[in-house]
Amino acid sequence: ETGVTQSPTHLIKTRGQQVTLRCSSQSGHNTVSWYQQALGQGPQFIFQYYREEENGRGNFPPRFSGLQFPNYSSELNVNALELDDSALYLCASSLDREGRETQYFGPGTRLLVL
Amino acid sequence: AQRVTQPEKLLSVFKGAPVELKCNYSYSGSPELFWYVQYSRQRLQLLLRHISRESIKGFTADLNKGETSFHLKKPFAQEEDSAMYYCALDNYGQNFVFGPGTRLSVLP
Repeated sequence: ETGVTQSPTHLIKTRGQQVTLRCSSQSGHNTVSWYQQALGQGPQFIFQYYREEENGRGNFPPRFSGLQFPNYSSELNVNALELDDSALYLCASSLDREGRETQYFGPGTRLLVL
Repeated sequence: AQRVTQPEKLLSVFKGAPVELKCNYSYSGSPELFWYVQYSRQRLQLLLRHISRESIKGFTADLNKGETSFHLKKPFAQEEDSAMYYCALDNYGQNFVFGPGTRLSVLP
């Protein structure tokens, strides 16, 4: 059983650019959640995908968008990057969307916006 | 809006001493609450959840709805407990809120 993987591990972009981050969920998991973790803070929920549909969304603007594919892997897209988007982006997969299911986290992608 | 607070950024205790990591929440319904832990150079992982009422690595947490708290406790701290601890609340998949975290340092 493979764990959650994310790519790339690190990324440097400039303000105004667009970025795509990728996540492969743990085998058998149909739910993926994305989080932004700024330095010194707890993870902030961006959104969750369940069976290819957005299932919930945190307080993030529309330039943060996502996709989930039939194999339940997922992408996070951020348009018009701003300096404050610099953070660690975590994805987590779970067996189902219900809160009782354990979330398994990936190692994260560290994004730096210059 | 749902919110989770952890008043201590850093908590230092000596090995063998009791530990209590504080967590308070604001939520209008019946919350699902969790503690996640991140050891050095490891991924964020679930430590325990209130619905399981289980003890993991000697840690327990009791949900107190009257005080809206979910404090994490361990009677005798070990050096390997040093880590970052996050309290979190689940709004049934619509939103998942983490607190800012408390760094626990267990001194020899």
